[in-house]
Amino acid sequence: QTVVTQEPSFSVSPGGTVTLTCGLSSGSVSTSSYPSWYQQTPGQAPRTLIYNTNTRSSGVPDRFSGSILGNKAALTITGAQADDESDYYCVLYMSGGIWVFGGGTKLTVL
Amino acid sequence: QLQLQESGPGLVKPSETLSLTCGVSGGSFSSSNYYWGWIRQPPGKGLEWIGTIYYGGSTYYNPSLKSRVTISVDTSENQFSLKLSSVTAADTAVYYCARANFYYYYMDVWGKGTTVTVSS
Repeated sequence: QTVVTQEPSFSVSPGGTVTLTCGLSSGSVSTSSYPSWYQQTPGQAPRTLIYNTNTRSSGVPDRFSGSILGNKAALTITGAQADDESDYYCVLYMSGGIWVFGGGTKLTVL
Repeated sequence: QLQLQESGPGLVKPSETLSLTCGVSGGSFSSSNYYWGWIRQPPGKGLEWIGTIYYGGSTYYNPSLKSRVTISVDTSENQFSLKLSSVTAADTAVYYCARANFYYYYMDVWGKGTTVTVSS
């Protein structure tokens, strides 16, 4: 079974830059998995940030960017702000019409 | 603006079938550009994809849930539904419905979620 891996937690200073990654337990992530990223704060539904590896969803600030770094998908936040403190999830689209969520990264801004 | 709203019982007994509906308003439901899907989140845990349905009726399910899941659409009512059979306490979660883009395979509109507890 495909497992999508994310760092369980990460910390960044206000104004700093952080890169969260999204990998596969077996193999590499490529653009053909159409990586997407979602932000979730407690008690709220997820918010779509990035789709198709690096396209920002409508209304998402340009301090959020997506890419492929090595064999993983990556979400970079440049100039982190206090309200970026959230859980971040990546999703990969696999063959056969299957979506797989990563376990999520809890980002702390302090 | 498209909106999704989950509805259904908040409490289900073990071994019974969980049934939820997602109402779609403010936009076209019968479009070839989208899938319609369900995602859940157990308390304190991460998100889990349950399954999706394409407007033509093709369904795709999480392999770990496939034997218990049925997703269907009712285009006349602008809604789609989730049925999860033989539930246990492990199925206690917030259940979200979402629209997924057909071309780039991502969830672009989410419902607010509904909490379902499995307990006798």
